[in-house]
Amino acid sequence: EPEVTQTPSHQVTQMGQEVILRCVPISNHLYFYWYRQILGQKVEFLVSFYNNEISEKSEIFDDQFSVERPDGSNFTLKIRSTKLEDSAMYFCASSIDRGEQFFGPGTRLTVL
Amino acid sequence: ELKVEQNPLFLSMQEGKNYTIYCNYSTTSDRLYWYRQDPGKSLESLFVLLSNGAVKQEGRLMASLDTKARLSTLHITAAVHDLSATYFCAVDPQGGSEKLVFGKGTKLTVNP
Repeated sequence: EPEVTQTPSHQVTQMGQEVILRCVPISNHLYFYWYRQILGQKVEFLVSFYNNEISEKSEIFDDQFSVERPDGSNFTLKIRSTKLEDSAMYFCASSIDRGEQFFGPGTRLTVL
Repeated sequence: ELKVEQNPLFLSMQEGKNYTIYCNYSTTSDRLYWYRQDPGKSLESLFVLLSNGAVKQEGRLMASLDTKARLSTLHITAAVHDLSATYFCAVDPQGGSEKLVFGKGTKLTVNP
């Protein structure tokens, strides 16, 4: 069964460093999303992406964040200068038609 | 702004018992999703509810949606230990929009 994959599974970085989280959505899906979940809390929407551009973003998704689909298969989330409060689990999701979203296994980001 | 409230947030129950988790939301929507999350894992899609009165069942779980009351329920019948997990409801605020708004989750523990 097709699934969303994410790499790495765990990323440890120093405060102020740039990180890139990678996702490979399900191949025939057209809509892509990033969510984050701070430990023990609810899942929060960050950004959605369709047709090579951002279609919606939340207040969390400030100028430090960017997304890209560089090669037609990968979907990346970049955090330019990480802060301690960026430590969270980051989930990528994809959907075929803005309906049910399928989530990847997540990347645990730890900022020291 | 759409708010999604789940209760209870924590639920400890005995095997064989029945219980219901409630998900209330604050603005009109006719698309609601239930996800399961095991510790440290991703979100597994359980149910997609797309219209008023929708009822779906899978094994010991049954979900329903009342869009007039802005309420969804997840009913657990004759609980077993394997159902121990955190259950999230998520609402699509615009019916086919770009994001899901999640509740805080209900952490279910089923004791033998």
